[in-house]
Amino acid sequence: QSVLTQPPSASGTPGQRVTISCSGSSSNIGSNYVYWYQQLPGTAPKLLIYRNNQRPSGVPDRFSGSKSGTSASLAISGLRSEDEADYYCAAWDDSLSGPVFGTGTKVTVL
Amino acid sequence: QVQLQESGPGLVKPSQTLSLTCTVSGGSISSGSYYWSWIRQPAGKGLEWIGRIYTSGSTNYNPSLKSRVTISVDTSKNQFSLKLSSVTAADTAVYYCARVVSSSWYDYWGQGTLVTVSS
Repeated sequence: QSVLTQPPSASGTPGQRVTISCSGSSSNIGSNYVYWYQQLPGTAPKLLIYRNNQRPSGVPDRFSGSKSGTSASLAISGLRSEDEADYYCAAWDDSLSGPVFGTGTKVTVL
Repeated sequence: QVQLQESGPGLVKPSQTLSLTCTVSGGSISSGSYYWSWIRQPAGKGLEWIGRIYTSGSTNYNPSLKSRVTISVDTSKNQFSLKLSSVTAADTAVYYCARVVSSSWYDYWGQGTLVTVSS
């Protein structure tokens, strides 16, 4: 029941910059903060970005988030092999009165 | 360091009730202004919010599951629980418990537990 739309895949070579988009609506991204999670294979998601563009302690500054209108994006610069994972955006949805997640993007390091 | 651990049956029969418990260690479930949440992920698919509970007992549920979900908390055991009734194969998923910060983001997650609905 994903309400936020992400591209299914993205890829790059080591050192490149990869950007993942997240499209929503006025009831979620348009009026609330966006969060990003990284899910390595077989593990629980890990918070990567909170409140649109803030990084928790320990998250490398290679990861950055931005938001404009009803869309958001996550950028990974200086791509590394350990960045190969699934990435999910999330936001509170006022219509649902709960959080909604993106469809997920699998990042592959070529 | 806060840790969360899900526990419960890995196999549930159709039409029965799925019951899971999340045990919180490394801190009191009652301390701080946190919600505690359940999220699930079918194999190869995305994340779905099930619901959340505050330590006062106040709950919020996903409308699509609300009629079948109950989340409760036992502060004396530092645990919170999920019950999902009338399960079908569509409820087969990895179930995660997580701590919610500022009613908004999940900072600590359990490792997840696979629940399969099958006869």
